[in-house]
Amino acid sequence: QTVVTQEPSFSVSPGGTVTLTCGLSSGSVSTSYYPSWYQQIPGQAPRTLIYSTNIRSSGVPDRFSGSILGNKAALTITGAQADDESDYYCVLYMGSGISVFGGGTKVTVV
Amino acid sequence: EVQLLESGGGLIQPGGSLRLSCAASGFTFSSYAVSWVRQAPAKGLEWVSTIGSNTYYAGSVKGRFTISRDTSKNTLYLQMNTLRADDTAVYYCAKRGYDASGSSLFYFDSWGPGTLVTVSS
Repeated sequence: QTVVTQEPSFSVSPGGTVTLTCGLSSGSVSTSYYPSWYQQIPGQAPRTLIYSTNIRSSGVPDRFSGSILGNKAALTITGAQADDESDYYCVLYMGSGISVFGGGTKVTVV
Repeated sequence: EVQLLESGGGLIQPGGSLRLSCAASGFTFSSYAVSWVRQAPAKGLEWVSTIGSNTYYAGSVKGRFTISRDTSKNTLYLQMNTLRADDTAVYYCAKRGYDASGSSLFYFDSWGPGTLVTVSS
């Protein structure tokens, strides 16, 4: 069974840059997996940030960017702000209608 | 504006059944795939099922859950049978995102607020 891996947590200073990654337990992530990223404040519904690797969803600030770094998908927050403190999830499309979420990364801005 | 609103959650005993609904508006419901995603308490998000031209299920619910939709009512359903304690979660309805040519981009572009299902005796 394929597992999508994310770092459990990250800390970033206000104004700093952090890069979260999304990998596979076996194999490399490519654009063919249509990587997407979601932000979730606990107790709220997820918010769509990035789709198709690097396309920002409507209304998402340009400090959020997506890419492929090595063999993983990546979400970079440049110039982190206090309200970026949240949980972040990636999703990979495995084909045959199946999507798999990563375990999520808790980002703390301190 | 796309709007999704789930309902039907509640407390149910193990082994019981429950049907969730998701009322959709703001888009041509019959033309887009829609999904259920759940989140157990203090856990991460988990894709459950998608309905488009076909239906798809996560292994953890296959054979127990059935996704369907009524395009005349713009409503998505999730029939959940043989419920277990580990099905306890907030269940979100989510619309799939597409490009301008109508091809699926296999992501979730809109979300409902969710409905809580608690499986407990």
